[in-house]
Amino acid sequence: NAGVTQTPKFQVLKTGQSMTLQCAQDMNHNSMYWYRQDPGMGLRLIYYSASEGTTDKGEVPNGYNVSRLNKREFSLRLESAAPSQTSVYFCASSEADFSSSYNEQFFGPGTRLTVL
Amino acid sequence: AQSVTQLGSHVSVSEGALVLLRCNYSSSVPPYLFWYVQYPNQGLQLLLKYTSAATLVKGINGFEAEFKKSETSFHLTKPSAHMSDAAEYFCAVSLFNTDKLIFGTGTRLQVFP
Repeated sequence: NAGVTQTPKFQVLKTGQSMTLQCAQDMNHNSMYWYRQDPGMGLRLIYYSASEGTTDKGEVPNGYNVSRLNKREFSLRLESAAPSQTSVYFCASSEADFSSSYNEQFFGPGTRLTVL
Repeated sequence: AQSVTQLGSHVSVSEGALVLLRCNYSSSVPPYLFWYVQYPNQGLQLLLKYTSAATLVKGINGFEAEFKKSETSFHLTKPSAHMSDAAEYFCAVSLFNTDKLIFGTGTRLQVFP
């Protein structure tokens, strides 16, 4: 099992450019998440998807869109990149099995994005 | 609303010394609590989790954490630090029957020889 994979690993954009960050998981998990990590701020949830076909906003959704393409894949799109979106982006997935009463998330290796 | 506070953004210890990383949570209902570790240039990896089965939780790499409801704390400890423990550590909270985690701001652990 590869777990959670993300592409690309690194990306440099100019202000106003668009791009899509890709995420895939092979654990048959229902829920998937996109976070951004900034120094001193921990991880902040951008969007999440509780199941195929559903998406919901997290704490910091402005400037982003997402697509849950199928159960395996969850992409994050920046339509018009801004310097404030310079960050490290992590994708995660979880079983979200409420019968087990907890939510363990598995993380990808991250994408380092710089917007000039 | 639930939240977590990690006291100390940086902690430095000598190799062989006790590691203590602090986490306090705020929740009106019993929470589920997690510690994740992030090694340089990597994603987050689960260290241990509290899900109400036992208040003292043992995790990987010799780490453990104790849930103290009276203190609303879930501090992470390791009796003897190793150089390989140098990383950033995140405390997180989740409520029963939700599929979201709230993360603390992280504590960077440095281990000196």
